[in-house]
Amino acid sequence: EVQLLESGGGLVQPGGSLSLSCAASGFTFSSYAMTWVRQAPGKGLEWVSGISGRGGSTYYADSVKGRFTISRDKSKNTLDLQLNSLRAEDTAVYYCAKVSPYSGFIDYWGRGTLVTVSS
Amino acid sequence: DIQMTQSPSSVSASVGDRVTITCRASQGISSWLAWYQQKPGKAPNLLIYAASSLQSGVPSRFSGSGSGTDFTLTISSLQPEDFATYYCQQGNGFPWTFGQGTKVEIK
Repeated sequence: EVQLLESGGGLVQPGGSLSLSCAASGFTFSSYAMTWVRQAPGKGLEWVSGISGRGGSTYYADSVKGRFTISRDKSKNTLDLQLNSLRAEDTAVYYCAKVSPYSGFIDYWGRGTLVTVSS
Repeated sequence: DIQMTQSPSSVSASVGDRVTITCRASQGISSWLAWYQQKPGKAPNLLIYAASSLQSGVPSRFSGSGSGTDFTLTISSLQPEDFATYYCQQGNGFPWTFGQGTKVEIK
């Protein structure tokens, strides 16, 4: 059974940093691209970042480029997202997600972790 | 970036009704389209990928169609557990983008 468990969310001041992590299990982690998607309170879904199976290619939404960094650790089966220079508009539930074998789509999602940026 | 526009934003329907949701891409995306269902407080769930392929475990009352710029999600006979918000998503290239969502409410 595929499981994705996010951690690291919390309250942070504007301009601050936070590190999110996602523990993956139930599949061959290094064989699949992974991605982060966020959802602001009461709003729709926003794709944030993606990384290839081997970690050699990374992708970012313009809204987070230069501030967020995605990475993965195949020895620990973890996906990480480093959030720097946080803004109020980064407040959201952040979902870790597995990209489907077909690519381009998400077939499994974690439960999400809430990041709140506020003074 | 490719913009995804869903319509309607919300729909009121009764159990047993046929419901159709449309999604339009700002440029052609071939069949690189998925549909997700999200219930309050939960993560989204993949229903349809590649425009018309039913994800394993998803009831057959859900179907998808379209290619290029215009797509539809159809629920053939609405069930009580189908009241939720539905999102389309294009996977034609980065950045991936989602539609704004369609909330299916009880009439």
